Amino acid sequence: GAVVSQHPSWVICKSGTSVKIECRSLDFQATTMFWYRQFPKQSLMLMATSNEGSKATYEQGVEKDKFLINHASLTLSTLTVTSAHPEDSSFYICSAGRGQGFGYTFGSGTRLTVV
Amino acid sequence: RKEVEQDPGPFNVPEGATVAFNCTYSNSASQSFFWYRQDCRKEPKLLMSVYSSGNEDGRFTAQLNRASQYISLLIRDSKLSDSATYLCVVLTGGGNKLTFGTGTQLKVEL
Repeated sequence: GAVVSQHPSWVICKSGTSVKIECRSLDFQATTMFWYRQFPKQSLMLMATSNEGSKATYEQGVEKDKFLINHASLTLSTLTVTSAHPEDSSFYICSAGRGQGFGYTFGSGTRLTVV
Repeated sequence: RKEVEQDPGPFNVPEGATVAFNCTYSNSASQSFFWYRQDCRKEPKLLMSVYSSGNEDGRFTAQLNRASQYISLLIRDSKLSDSATYLCVVLTGGGNKLTFGTGTQLKVEL
C-alpha cells in the first residue's frame, strides 16, 4: 500500500519554457502532499506543502509564482516550474502520507535539466 | 545550527561489520522520527520509524533519546546491498513538516 507515482522521471527543456510534474497517490487519498528539491550531494529541501482544495503553503525563499502548485483532487498534485532556467535544474520529489506515524511515501522523483 | 544534523561520512566498512549512525535535532517539539534510505539518484524510501522505547527490524535497530534530542541507527552484519545514504528525518510543524538531515553515506565493501 501507499504507492505514490510521479511523472515524468526526467525531462530536459530549454531555458524559458515551463515544465509540469505530476504526483499521484495510487491507493490512498492524500489531502496533503509535499514537494521537495534536492541538489547534488545535498539533502532534500521542502519547497511547499500542497493542500487539496486550497492554496499551497510555500517555504521561505521559494517563489510561488515560479513554482505553481495545484492540488485539484485527493490523489493528484502538480508542480509547474515556470520559465525554467538552468539554476532550476534539480531533482524534484513529491511525497504523501496517510497520517502521522505511518511515514511518508515518496514518488520516484523527476530529474529536471534546463539547457 | 541545522535543524537535523548528521555526519555525512562516507563510512567504508567491510561486509559483516556493525555500524552506527547518529543524528541530532534542534526542535524539541519534534513529534516523529524516521530513518530513510536513499540510493544514488533515487527517491528516499522509509527504512523504519524511531520510537522512544527503541525498535528493531531484523539487522536494523533504531533508538531515540528525547532528552538529548538524539537518534541513532545501528546496522548489524552489514551487507553489500546496505550501501546507500541514510537520512535522518524529523516530523515537526504540527505533524506536517518533514525535515531531512543531509544523510550519512555508507559503503559496504568485500
